[in-house]
Amino acid sequence: EAAVTQSPRNKVAVTGGKVTLSCNQTNNHNNMYWYRQDTGHGLRLIHYSYGAGSTEKGDIPDGYKASRPSQENFSLILELATPSQTSVYFCASGEPGTNTGQLYFGEGSKLTVL
Amino acid sequence: GEKVEQHESTLSVREGDSAVINCTYTDTASSYFPWYKQEAGKSLHFVIDIRSNVDRKQSQRLTVLLDKKAKRFSLHITATQPEDSAIYFCAASNSGTYQRFGTGTKLQVVP
Repeated sequence: EAAVTQSPRNKVAVTGGKVTLSCNQTNNHNNMYWYRQDTGHGLRLIHYSYGAGSTEKGDIPDGYKASRPSQENFSLILELATPSQTSVYFCASGEPGTNTGQLYFGEGSKLTVL
Repeated sequence: GEKVEQHESTLSVREGDSAVINCTYTDTASSYFPWYKQEAGKSLHFVIDIRSNVDRKQSQRLTVLLDKKAKRFSLHITATQPEDSAIYFCAASNSGTYQRFGTGTKLQVVP
């Protein structure tokens, strides 16, 4: 079974603080993604990666950085957190263009910025 | 860029009836259309998908229909059960690009 794990699962941060959300996958997928889920918006893509060393901007990258140091790990970094970044963040991995193009999601990280 | 719209934000059906959730997309180059299910307080998991080379795909009680002309696709659930209650997300992508999601439809199956 494909596995994507995220940490932390819950985080409370202060405005202006730095937050790092981590994601690890054991699927050996090249592609990894960070989405945020907000009521009324569904899931929106923040950053994604095609493999180690690669990061690409998604639809809403402002205020976020990403890092992919290895095939297995993909981090989302909020250098200066703001209350508007309060959300649930999902990491996913997948191999688009293959027979099984589905994404495998982590459990989610709930971030509250006060 | 691609925009995926999910028309029903909530849907309530009686147990045993059928449910239909509709989505539209804007990018004519989109070729992959997956559906995901999110149970309360949990993550998303894949349920069924369809590619643009077919217009219908069935997996047990789930059927996806694709109308490329209208840029519309739909998820049909037959003989609904309480465990079908969840939020369902449609998504669309061009080959090799990332998936864009609809806003989700909360399905309630009422006994």
